[in-house]
Amino acid sequence: EPEVTQTPSHQVTQMGQEVILRCVPISNHLYFYWYRQILGQKVEFLVSFYNNEISEKSEIFDDQFSVERPDGSNFTLKIRSTKLEDSAMYFCASRGTVSRNQPQHFGDGTRLSIL
Amino acid sequence: GESVGLHLPTLSVQEGDNSIINCAYSNSASDYFIWYKQESGKGPQFIIDIRSNMDKRQGQRVTVLLNKTVKHLSLQIAATQPGDSAVYFCADPHNNAGNMLTFGGGTRLMVKP
Repeated sequence: EPEVTQTPSHQVTQMGQEVILRCVPISNHLYFYWYRQILGQKVEFLVSFYNNEISEKSEIFDDQFSVERPDGSNFTLKIRSTKLEDSAMYFCASRGTVSRNQPQHFGDGTRLSIL
Repeated sequence: GESVGLHLPTLSVQEGDNSIINCAYSNSASDYFIWYKQESGKGPQFIIDIRSNMDKRQGQRVTVLLNKTVKHLSLQIAATQPGDSAVYFCADPHNNAGNMLTFGGGTRLMVKP
């Protein structure tokens, strides 16, 4: 069964450094998402991406964050200058169709640890 | 998708028993719901979904019931197994450009051998 894959599984970065989290969504999916989950808390929406542009973003997704689909398969989340509070699990998700009545499928996440 | 919450944070069941996990929603315009399972160290895994034109939908060992009158849905797991131990979330996509999901805190299902 097709799946969303994320790399790396664990990223350790010094505070203030840039980090890029990578995702390969399910082939032929059209909508892409990033969510994060701070340890012990709820999964929170960060950003949605469709047709090569951001369609929605949350308050968490400030100027330090950016997303890109550099080619036909990858979808990346960049944090320009990481802060301690960016430590979390980051999940990528994708959805296949224009209809909202289709589930998003999630990857297993990247654990980001900021030192 | 404005508010999706769960009644119980933890549910403990005996292996082989049936489990029922509940979820309430507040937006009467919500018309599509998804149940996810999240095991430790993994991402949310799609289990089953239901559209508002249905009251019930069955999958393999799982059934979702939707009561639009009281804005409540439940996930029933038949013959619960140790592998069912996880946190379960209900979610509904926002009716906006991004159709983002709002997750509640989840219910942790613990299966006792």
